[in-house]
This record gives sequence, structure tokens and C-alpha cells, in this order.
Amino acid sequence: EPEVTQTPSHQVTQMGQEVILRCVPISNHLYFYWYRQILGQKVEFLVSFYNNEISEKSEIFDDQFSVERPDGSNFTLKIRSTKLEDSAMYFCASSESEVLSYEQYFGPGTRLTVT
Amino acid sequence: AQSVAQPEDQVNVAEGNPLTVKCTYSVSGNPYLFWYVQYPNRGLQFLLKYITGDNLVKGSYGFEAEFNKSQTSFHLKKPSALVSDSALYFCAVRDIYNFNKFYFGSGTKLNVKP
Repeated sequence: EPEVTQTPSHQVTQMGQEVILRCVPISNHLYFYWYRQILGQKVEFLVSFYNNEISEKSEIFDDQFSVERPDGSNFTLKIRSTKLEDSAMYFCASSESEVLSYEQYFGPGTRLTVT
Repeated sequence: AQSVAQPEDQVNVAEGNPLTVKCTYSVSGNPYLFWYVQYPNRGLQFLLKYITGDNLVKGSYGFEAEFNKSQTSFHLKKPSALVSDSALYFCAVRDIYNFNKFYFGSGTKLNVKP
């Protein structure tokens, strides 16, 4: 069964540094998402992306965040200047359609630790 | 606003016994409800969904969920638990105004003991 993959599985960075989290969505999917889960808290929506542009973003997704689909397979989340509170598990997801009946498929996550 | 609540952080059950993982929802309009499971070091895996139709929804790995409109609940059930069912379970609701967004519950850790 096709899967969403994410790299790296764990990233440690110093405060103020830039990080790029990478995702390879399922190949025929057109809608892409990032979520995050701070330890012990809920999974929170960050952003959705379709047709090379952001279609929706949450209040968490401020100017330090950006997303990109640099080629036909990768989908990236960049955090420009990391803060301690960015430490979380980041999940990428993809979906074939935005139609209600279509579920999102999630990757295994990247654990980001900001020191 | 759409939201789901999972009132139990942890559920313990013996192998072979029935299990229930609870979820209640709060939505304006018709709810579109999902259950996902997360095994260690894996992503969230889709289990089942309720969009419309029968209140009892069957999903992967023998799981089912019952949609109850009067109680605004969508509890996950399995008649006979396996040790391998031990994982973190998330209930989610899809935003009816923006289908791209899912709102997740806080998760329930299911422990199935042999």
C-alpha cells in the first residue's frame, strides 16, 4: 500500500536556526497538509496546499513558516528561525481529493527538537 | 466551531474482551467523523469514517464505530481485543466549512494485556 514518507525522523536544531522538514506524499494525491503535535497535546492543523499554493492556514502558521513543492514529489515545511516552542512532532498528510468522503493519509512524522 | 473530545487518556482491557474508546463531537451542521490509529514510530493510520448512512460503520482490523446523533458520540469498538491493538487512537472531525481541515481529539492510549 502506498505511504506518505517523511525525513528526517528526528531533527535537533538550535534556537534561531532554519530547518526544512521533507515529505513525499502519495504519488496520485493532489492535496497536501502539515500538522503538528506538541508533546502531550492534540494534533493541530497548520496548513493545506493545493495547486502550488496555500489553500488554508491556521493561526499557528505565521511568517516564520513556509511550504513548498519544489518538484513533482517532495513537499517541504520550512521554519525560518526556530523557537523552543516549535519543538513538536510534525506530520505531513496527503489526500486524493478535498471531497468530504476522502480521508487524509499521514506520514510517520518528524520529531523536531529545538535547543 | 468543530471539535472532538476524547474523555479518556488511557483505556486498559484484557485480550479477548470487548473494547470501547470514547469520542464525543461538537459541530455545527452534519458531522464528518474519522478514527485514526498511531502505532509507535508510525504515522496516523486511517481506521474508519462516518459521512452519512448507517450509524454503525465498519473499518480496518475488525474495528467499528457507532454514530449516535442524540448523544453526539462516535465511540470506537471492537468485539474482541488483541494485544496488537495496543496503540494511540485519535478521533477527528472534518471542518464542514473547510474540508481541508481536520480537528483531532487529544488521543486515547489503548493497552491490551495478554
